[in-house]
Order: sequence, then structure tokens, then C-alpha cells
Amino acid sequence: DVKVTQSSRYLVKRTGEKVFLECVQDMDHENMFWYRQDPGLGLRLIYFSYDVKMKEKGDIPEGYSVSREKKERFSLILESASTNQTSMYLCASSQPGSLQPTDTQYFGPGTRLTVL
Amino acid sequence: SQKIEQNSEALNIQEGKTATLTCNYTNYSPAYLQWYRQDPGRGPVFLLLIRENEKEKRKERLKVTFDTTLKQSLFHITASQPADSATYLCALVGNQGGKLIFGQGTELSVKP
Repeated sequence: DVKVTQSSRYLVKRTGEKVFLECVQDMDHENMFWYRQDPGLGLRLIYFSYDVKMKEKGDIPEGYSVSREKKERFSLILESASTNQTSMYLCASSQPGSLQPTDTQYFGPGTRLTVL
Repeated sequence: SQKIEQNSEALNIQEGKTATLTCNYTNYSPAYLQWYRQDPGRGPVFLLLIRENEKEKRKERLKVTFDTTLKQSLFHITASQPADSATYLCALVGNQGGKLIFGQGTELSVKP
């Protein structure tokens, strides 16, 4: 079974702090994604990566950056946390083609971040 | 503009009945569409994928239809159980490929 883990389930930070959210997948997937999920807005894509050291902006990249130094790990960075970044953050991975339906995504459990 | 719409109102049904959830889309031509289940405080879990050349797909008590003319997918749970209570998300591949675009989800509540 694919396993996607996220470093924290709950996190509380102060405005202006630099925040790191870590995601690790154990299935050697090429693709990794970061979403945020807010009531009434659904899942919104922040950044994604198709390969090591490669990143692409999603729909709402402002205020975020990412890092993918190793294939299994994809980090989301909030450079200077703000209260409007309080949200549920979800990491996902997928493998194009291969044995599974293309683009099926496997999600981690999520990190609920509160910025005070 | 491209849009995916699911029933925004929660769906409440009695145990044993069939639940039907709707996913409509505009300005997409997806090769396939996916359905996910999400429990509170958890990440979504993949359930089913249906391709554009498939009218219907089944998995146990789940059935998905895909009408590319109507630009609509229906998700059915037959003989529903309280354990089926969750939020169900539809998703399709955007025109760039690789990126999934998610609907907002419909919350289903099955009462005993």
C-alpha cells in the first residue's frame, strides 16, 4: 500500500514565523503535490513537482515555496506565516501510467495549521 | 471558465437507501474522472476512476456513470450504511494533464 506521511497532524505558529511542512511518500512516485483545503473552497493546489528539484506553481502559490531535494520528500515552506494561511494542508503523490490509473493521487493525513 | 460543481448541500438519507451524488463540469474535456472519499480530519482516499469511453463502472456497492454529452458524472452508493457517511469529491484531469481539479465535495450522512 502507498503510504504518504506528513510531519505533523496539528501545528500552531505565530504570525511572521517561517513554517516547514514535510511530506514523505514510500512508493517511489514521480509526482508530488501540496494542497490547502478550506470550508467552501475545496482543495486548492499550491505547488506540485514532477521530479526531483523541479517545481511548478499551482493555483495559489503566493506566500509559499517548496523544496524537493529527494524523490520521496516534498516540503512546503511558509516564508512568513500569516493568519490567512490557517488551513488544512494536504500532501499527495501519484505515479503517471504504470500499474495504477494515471493521476490517481494518494493523500497524506493532513496538517491542520493555525497561525495566531 | 473551467468549473466543477458538486451539490453544495449535504445529503441526508436513511440506511438501506441509494445515495446519488452529482458532479457537473464545464469547459473541460476530461479523458477520465475520479471519485474520492474524505473522512473528517483525513486526506481523501481514491475510490473509482471512469474513462470517457465508459458509460458505467461498478465496485461492490458503488456505481459511477459518466455522460460526456451532459458533462456529468453520477456516483451511487446502494444499500447505504452509516459507515458510508463522509464527504465525496469528484476530480478530473485538467487540460494540462497530471494536475487533478477537485470539486468542492458533497457531504453524505446516512442515518440508521
